[in-house]
Amino acid sequence: GAGVSQSPSNKVTEKGKDVELRCDPISGHTALYWYRQSLGQGLEFLIYFQGNSAPDKSGLPSDRFSAERTGGSVSTLTIQRTQQEDSAVYLCASSLTGTGIEKLFFGSGTQLSVL
Amino acid sequence: SQQGEEDPQALSIQEGENATMNCSYKTSINNLQWYRQNSGRGLVHLILIRSNEREKHSGRLRVTLDTSKKSSSLLITASRAADTASYFCATVGGSGSARQLTFGSGTQLTVLP
Repeated sequence: GAGVSQSPSNKVTEKGKDVELRCDPISGHTALYWYRQSLGQGLEFLIYFQGNSAPDKSGLPSDRFSAERTGGSVSTLTIQRTQQEDSAVYLCASSLTGTGIEKLFFGSGTQLSVL
Repeated sequence: SQQGEEDPQALSIQEGENATMNCSYKTSINNLQWYRQNSGRGLVHLILIRSNEREKHSGRLRVTLDTSKKSSSLLITASRAADTASYFCATVGGSGSARQLTFGSGTQLTVLP
């Protein structure tokens, strides 16, 4: 596609429910990133996929968070048993090679609200 | 902890004035990038400056990098109301791995018409 696409754009859920957030990166981009942004804050790294390498999951805050990337393209971030502190904007980004000397292209994010 | 920290946290100026935002970081970097975010959603890349560069221009944007002081500045000249947004610096660590891209907490710029 023309850009990084995320869905849903907004998600309201009840505490304890599971949620799935989807990211469609730019076609041909080998690197995919998930970040979390709480209100008025910077971006917190969650997970990084690069090609067929094992993902870097070091930013996931707890074992309730998991992510996968199927076929080197679409990625899904799953949050199990959601808590109120999980409320944030979840941003996905992709880049061509993941070398670090290139720009990231961001989606518009998913605003997650846990009631 | 976040590598880059922007200063000031908030900045309000009149249209036509210049806006300067600063970013400080703690460890060696491969490059530093500036992004803009409108309305708390997706970020847009503005400019990338490598550690061996001192200054870079793109349209009304001018970025400087001082590796000895571990700081960078973003200057927006002749600001417009449409420049109102949050601006973030992001640093990539010395190894150059994209995994090491870390963002600061941002500067909220408001340009008054």
